[in-house]
Amino acid sequence: EAQVTQNPRYLITVTGKKLTVTCSQNMNHEYMSWYRQDPGLGLRQIYYSMNVEVTDKGDVPEGYKVSRKEKRNFPLILESPSPNQTSLYFCASRRRGDEPEAFFGQGTRLTVV
Amino acid sequence: AQKVTQAQTEISVVEKEDVTLDCVYETRDTTYYLFWYKQPPSGELVFLIRRNSFDEQNEISGRYSWNFQKSTSSFNFTITASQVVDSAVYFCALSEVRRGSTLGRLYFGRGTQLTVWP
Repeated sequence: EAQVTQNPRYLITVTGKKLTVTCSQNMNHEYMSWYRQDPGLGLRQIYYSMNVEVTDKGDVPEGYKVSRKEKRNFPLILESPSPNQTSLYFCASRRRGDEPEAFFGQGTRLTVV
Repeated sequence: AQKVTQAQTEISVVEKEDVTLDCVYETRDTTYYLFWYKQPPSGELVFLIRRNSFDEQNEISGRYSWNFQKSTSSFNFTITASQVVDSAVYFCALSEVRRGSTLGRLYFGRGTQLTVWP
C-alpha cells in the first residue's frame, strides 16, 4: 500500500530537549516536504527536499532542521524545541517536483511544555 | 505572490442542507493546480479533488461538486444534502507547476470548519 508514515503520532516533550519526527514514504517519490498546521493559519511549509541531499527552506523554517540522506526518509529535527513549536505536523511526498499530487502522512501532534 | 483565501472560518448547517465553501486564490502563473482537502476530527488530511488551470469544467462526485471560475479566481466547493459525517475542516490549496522546475509546493488557505448538526 502506497503511504507516507510519520512517527510518532503524538509527542509531549520539554523545552530544549532535542527531538526527531520521522517520515518515510514507499512510493520512490523525489519530492518531500514538511508542513505545520496551526489554528487559524492553515498549513505552512517548513522545509522541502527535491531529492537526496537537496533541501531548501519553506515559509517557516526557523527552529527546524531536516536531512535527506535516503530517498524514502525525510526526518524533521527540532534541536531545541520551544513552546511555539507546539503544532500538528504533516509530512508529504510527491513523485517529482512538478507533479501536483501530494500524499500526506497521518500527522504528528507535538506539544512542547 | 501566491495566496489562497477561505473567508469563511466556520459554517454551521443542519443535516440535509446544501452548503458552499468559498475559495479565492491569487497567482501570477498561468499553469497551476487547485485542490480541496478534508480534515476530519481524527486529524488526517483527505484528498478530495484536484483541478488544473486549463480545465474549467465543473465536477460532480456524488454529493460533492466544485465550481472553478478563472474569471473570478475562485474554486468553490458545494456539499449537497449535508450529513453529520461531513463535519470537518476543509482546506483549499494552490500548487504552481513550472516546466523543469522543482516547484509544486502547496499553498493552503486557513481552512473552513464545517459543522453539520443532526
